[in-house]
Amino acid sequence: AQTVTQSQPEMSVQEAETVTLSCTYDTSESDYYLFWYKQPPSRQMILVIRQEAYKQQNATENRFSVNFQKAAKSFSLKISDSQLGDAAMYFCAYRSAIRNDKVIFGPGTSLSVIP
Amino acid sequence: DGGITQSPKYLFRKEGQNVTLSCEQNLNHDAMYWYRQDPGQGLRLIYYSQIVNDFQKGDIAEGYSVSREKKESFPLTVTSAQKNPTAFYLCASRRGARENTEAFFGQGTRLTVV
Repeated sequence: AQTVTQSQPEMSVQEAETVTLSCTYDTSESDYYLFWYKQPPSRQMILVIRQEAYKQQNATENRFSVNFQKAAKSFSLKISDSQLGDAAMYFCAYRSAIRNDKVIFGPGTSLSVIP
Repeated sequence: DGGITQSPKYLFRKEGQNVTLSCEQNLNHDAMYWYRQDPGQGLRLIYYSQIVNDFQKGDIAEGYSVSREKKESFPLTVTSAQKNPTAFYLCASRRGARENTEAFFGQGTRLTVV
């Protein structure tokens, strides 16, 4: 079965600085999708960025980018120029492209932004 | 506006009672999901449905039941058999179970057993 691990329960970053959140996953499949979701204090889950495993190029969305290392099964999220509004829980998630049914979430990383 | 609506936002239940959480979407999505969120454990899948009149158990289905009579609606019933029901419940939907699309989430229901 697939699993998703986030080894950093809590992280903090100074406003305007850069922070990297780690995520590793375990799967025997070769075709899948990876996601980072943000959950602010309102608890609304928001998609931050997605990556298709067949694409070698790392996804980027404005200040958010990923470092996707397929062989190492690693999928880290980099937030540049951190803003106060970035403070939230961040969840890494996996979905198989073959079975394409459920999304598996990691335990989350709580990010604090220090003014 | 299109979206997913969960109601109520807060729900209190006495021990031994069943309670039903509502989830409605007007996004015309085929797939719908129920997740449970506990502190430090991320989201765990309870049930999911890929199409009307069909649903499958997730990882923690015991003590829960669902129905999918309409495409727009996927209510979750927390039964008295669920030993530790106090949690935050999130409903999500996706355009097609077989399509490469992300899930959209409702705002959640906080259930507390009193």
